[in-house]
Amino acid sequence: DSGVTQTPKHLITATGQRVTLRCSPRSGDLSVYWYQQSLDQGLQFLIQYYNGEERAKGNILERFSAQQFPDLHSELNLSSLELGDSALYFCASSVGGMENSPLHFGNGTRLTVT
Amino acid sequence: DQQVKQNSPSLSVQEGRISILNCDYTNSMFDYFLWYKKYPAEGPTFLISISSIKDKNEDGRFTVFLNKSAKHLSLHIVPSQPGDSAVYFCAAPQKGAGNMLTFGGGTRLMVKP
Repeated sequence: DSGVTQTPKHLITATGQRVTLRCSPRSGDLSVYWYQQSLDQGLQFLIQYYNGEERAKGNILERFSAQQFPDLHSELNLSSLELGDSALYFCASSVGGMENSPLHFGNGTRLTVT
Repeated sequence: DQQVKQNSPSLSVQEGRISILNCDYTNSMFDYFLWYKKYPAEGPTFLISISSIKDKNEDGRFTVFLNKSAKHLSLHIVPSQPGDSAVYFCAAPQKGAGNMLTFGGGTRLMVKP
């Protein structure tokens, strides 16, 4: 158990809809990261937050947004969903926002857009 | 541009033998590398890392080798066990980008009893 909690585990929704994925980091971790894993693809970095502030941004679509709250949990909002957004979404956390600290991943949310 | 590549999508090894998983990178700024293991329906789990000031790091049955001149690293598992069957990812943090990890595409290891 990595200590990172993601909810829900599965989500099925229709095109055009909006969903929110939630992540609680390990106790004491200040950084939260979001990754997307599409079918047959590796893990693609979306965004990183450190202590409530955005720290780094990857290839995150404009339809997607995220935030980290004062209690350090994070939410990833996906809107105007398309079939291609179907993927596994992983949250990870680390102690700091610095380089070279291993990330600890949750078990992911599987999003299916129909 | 894939900065971290794992060219073997799968590898099959007999139990007790050595498993060698390979990873190549193109960004010469990378100076730290990590290996993650992923079981189905779970998130990736950190396995072992190596800094570019070293060429080898060992942790139990797992050893990572780094060849900076070739921009190549490998993960050795000796002896391989059926429980090692998983997808293995190598990754490297982008310099100056927080702690953003760039992952390879993964290699599925199957260890046969």
